[in-house]
Amino acid sequence: DAGVTQSPTHLIKTRGQQVTLRCSPKSGHDTVSWYQQALGQGPQFIFQYYEEEERQRGNFPDRFSGHQFPNYSSELNVNALLLGDSALYLCASSLLGGDASGANVLTFGAGSRLTVL
Amino acid sequence: GNSVTQMEGPVTLSEEAFLTINCTYTATGYPSLFWYVQYPGEGLQLLLKATKADDKGSNKGFEATYRKETTSFHLEKGSVQVSDSAVYFCALTKNRDDKIIFGKGTRLHILP
Repeated sequence: DAGVTQSPTHLIKTRGQQVTLRCSPKSGHDTVSWYQQALGQGPQFIFQYYEEEERQRGNFPDRFSGHQFPNYSSELNVNALLLGDSALYLCASSLLGGDASGANVLTFGAGSRLTVL
Repeated sequence: GNSVTQMEGPVTLSEEAFLTINCTYTATGYPSLFWYVQYPGEGLQLLLKATKADDKGSNKGFEATYRKETTSFHLEKGSVQVSDSAVYFCALTKNRDDKIIFGKGTRLHILP
């Protein structure tokens, strides 16, 4: 059973460019969340998608946008890239309503490492 | 707001040593608490969780007890192995389906 898959694994962009990152959730999961992990820091919540709509959003500017498709896969788009956007972008999937214990357990992908020059 | 504070690393131990990584949280009500682990080049993996006060989460020899009175969820292991070398993140979620808030992570090095 494949877990969460993300693409690309690494990419380099220049300031002002736009980037699209892709994520396929774990089989059976219906919710996708995106996190930004700067070097040496913990993941920061960007947003969460369920039923093709943004359900929650963290403290990120509108340059960060996303989409969820009918097959539950998701994209993260970042416009007008800044140097500070350089980070590991993590996709995590889950089942809305939580697991058997009721906890919101995330399954993470290995991430897409974005470098902005 | 809700937050997680964990001890700064790196933590370096010899194989078979006892491990404690401290984690405290700030949140109203009764959040669910987690420890995630990130091995080099990989995404985060859930290590253990606890959903209510006094619950003990355990997995792979690691344990953590949800202490409401001290707002803590310290991670412990009695005898660490080289393969435990990784970054460990303490995390919380306020409500089911809510975003998960992570600490900054603690890097653990185990020497053979």
